[in-house]
Amino acid sequence: NAGVMQNPRHLVRRRGQEARLRCSPMKGHSHVYWYRQLPEEGLKFMVYLQKENIIDESGMPKERFSAEFPKEGPSILRIQQVVRGDSAAYFCASSAPGQRSNEQFFGPGTRLTVL
Amino acid sequence: AQSVTQLGSHVSVSEGALVLLRCNYSSSVPPYLFWYVQYPNQGLQLLLKYTSAATLVKGINGFEAEFKKSETSFHLTKPSAHMSDAAEYFCAVSSDNNNDMRFGAGTRLTVKP
Repeated sequence: NAGVMQNPRHLVRRRGQEARLRCSPMKGHSHVYWYRQLPEEGLKFMVYLQKENIIDESGMPKERFSAEFPKEGPSILRIQQVVRGDSAAYFCASSAPGQRSNEQFFGPGTRLTVL
Repeated sequence: AQSVTQLGSHVSVSEGALVLLRCNYSSSVPPYLFWYVQYPNQGLQLLLKYTSAATLVKGINGFEAEFKKSETSFHLTKPSAHMSDAAEYFCAVSSDNNNDMRFGAGTRLTVKP
């Protein structure tokens, strides 16, 4: 059973460009979470999605950031008009519905660098 | 709201010495507690988890943690540190009422030869 997959692993963008980060959850998992890790900091929750629904986006910046988890295909975290402060590692995690303890399995992350 | 606090952003021990990484939680409902490890440029790997069964939880790589409700703590320990234990360690909390997980700021463990 393949783990959580994220691509690209590294992404370089210039200021003002768009960044698209993709996450494929583990097989059988329908819950996806996105976290951001700034250099020398811990993980900050951004958004929690189930298939076709955003459940909790309390950690998402109000502007430029959006996330989706369509019925088919990976979850996408989209950052429009990137700025240098968006440079960070973005981690995706997934969990199975009805799973006790809500254990989350993490992908390897996408490291975004904004020039 | 749930949260965890990790005391000490950096911990340094000698090889063979006891490892103690501290985590205190805040939760108004019975919590689920986790310790994750992150090696450089990698994702998070689950070390162990507490899910309201035994209060002493054993994980991978010789780590264990004890849930102490009276102290709202879930400290991570290992009797004898190895060089390969050098990494960032994160404590996290969730519950039946919340599907998202809240992480501490992390503790960077350094192991000296």
